[in-house]
Amino acid sequence: QKEVEQNSGPLSVPEGAIASLNCTYSDRVSQSFFWYRQYSGKSPELIMSIYSNGDKEDGRFTAQLNKASQYVSLLIRDSQPSDSATYLCAVNLDSNYQLIWGAGTKLIIKP
Amino acid sequence: DAGVIQSPRHEVTEMGQEVTLRCKLISGHNSLFWYRQTMMRGLELLIYFNNNVPIDDSGMPEDRFSAKMPNASFSTLKIQPSEPRDSAVYFCASSPLGTGSMGGYTFGSGTRLTVV
Repeated sequence: QKEVEQNSGPLSVPEGAIASLNCTYSDRVSQSFFWYRQYSGKSPELIMSIYSNGDKEDGRFTAQLNKASQYVSLLIRDSQPSDSATYLCAVNLDSNYQLIWGAGTKLIIKP
Repeated sequence: DAGVIQSPRHEVTEMGQEVTLRCKLISGHNSLFWYRQTMMRGLELLIYFNNNVPIDDSGMPEDRFSAKMPNASFSTLKIQPSEPRDSAVYFCASSPLGTGSMGGYTFGSGTRLTVV
């Protein structure tokens, strides 16, 4: 069973602090890794993708991938109340573009 | 680019009725996915197509569910007859078909289905 695991939260972080979201996956052949943000009542939107070990930065977001340990994380710096949402981790196993999804972590940024 | 367009946004129907959900892909995208999302089960993949061909429909709950992709830009998901347990948000998503597995998805805004 190929799985993607996330802590469901809620994760509560004070405004301005760093929010750290983690995701582990079970299949070592996983190739591509994605973070989606989903506001309540809205559809998931892609915010970060990462394919190689290491860090990838985009504005206040940093994705970190460690294939040896089979985890991918998302850091949000200077977190804002508008970052409050559910963050979904998704992993692509093969070239058919079928993603395996985590259940999501609910993030709450407290003003 | 108008994005992935789904209709209707909301659907309330009585048990036993037929429901048809519609999805228009982003131009140039070749892969189409139908998902169902509930609080209890999260995002569940129902079926996906590559180049109009159904590749995996193992997530389709029962024979009551069927999906078609009559052309490269349009798909329908039909539930007949509908049941209260089908109540959920149904998303379609599309992605480009390229080298390797580099594509993330673009989701439509979803159809919130309520079967009473």
